[in-house]
Amino acid sequence: DGGITQSPKYLFRKEGQNVTLSCEQNLNHDAMYWYRQDPGQGLRLIYYSQIVNDFQKGDIAEGYSVSREKKESFPLTVTSAQKNPTAFYLCASSATGGAGGAFFGQGTRLTVV
Amino acid sequence: GENVEQHPSTLSVQEGDSAVIKCTYSDSASNYFPWYKQELGKRPQLIIDIRSNVGEKKDQRIAVTLNKTAKHFSLHITETQPEDSAVYFCAASMDSNYQLIWGAGTKLIIKP
Repeated sequence: DGGITQSPKYLFRKEGQNVTLSCEQNLNHDAMYWYRQDPGQGLRLIYYSQIVNDFQKGDIAEGYSVSREKKESFPLTVTSAQKNPTAFYLCASSATGGAGGAFFGQGTRLTVV
Repeated sequence: GENVEQHPSTLSVQEGDSAVIKCTYSDSASNYFPWYKQELGKRPQLIIDIRSNVGEKKDQRIAVTLNKTAKHFSLHITETQPEDSAVYFCAASMDSNYQLIWGAGTKLIIKP
């Protein structure tokens, strides 16, 4: 559905634990993004990648890490350094220059227990 | 850098009436302006977009207008229906930069 898949849909994390969110796309898009969305709020950019093996920090990168070893995949790790990780995480991809807009995965809802 | 402001934060309209959401941007180099609709608990979905070489674009009940001089663009929804209730986000970007800069969102409520 939509060519971009996030997993899992729901994730529970214990205090002090690292977790990795998966994002895979088959749209042949160069650019991929991770956003965080808190309840009733807008989208905040965590990291983005324009090309394989390269990525840039967004506005709220602290406590997160990413990799881009393949064009199709852009996993996000939420580390124990992220003190308030409970949120809705959205992965997106886009073609060159943002043309045609960004396509979003269905999101992962992360909860700290 | 680019900054996008979106108004209003909440908009309540009677079913069948029109709704207008406005965004302003700061960087005149921005040339691509998409609008997204996000229903509760779901992903944002692109509903319409416009490039800077076009002043207006329509798709059935929705339209987007762009004023490059004033650096603002607007989403217009006519004959609103209950299923139009959602949060709408505007965004702006430059072709040379993949990153979309997002507005804060507008919660649209359609009253029966």
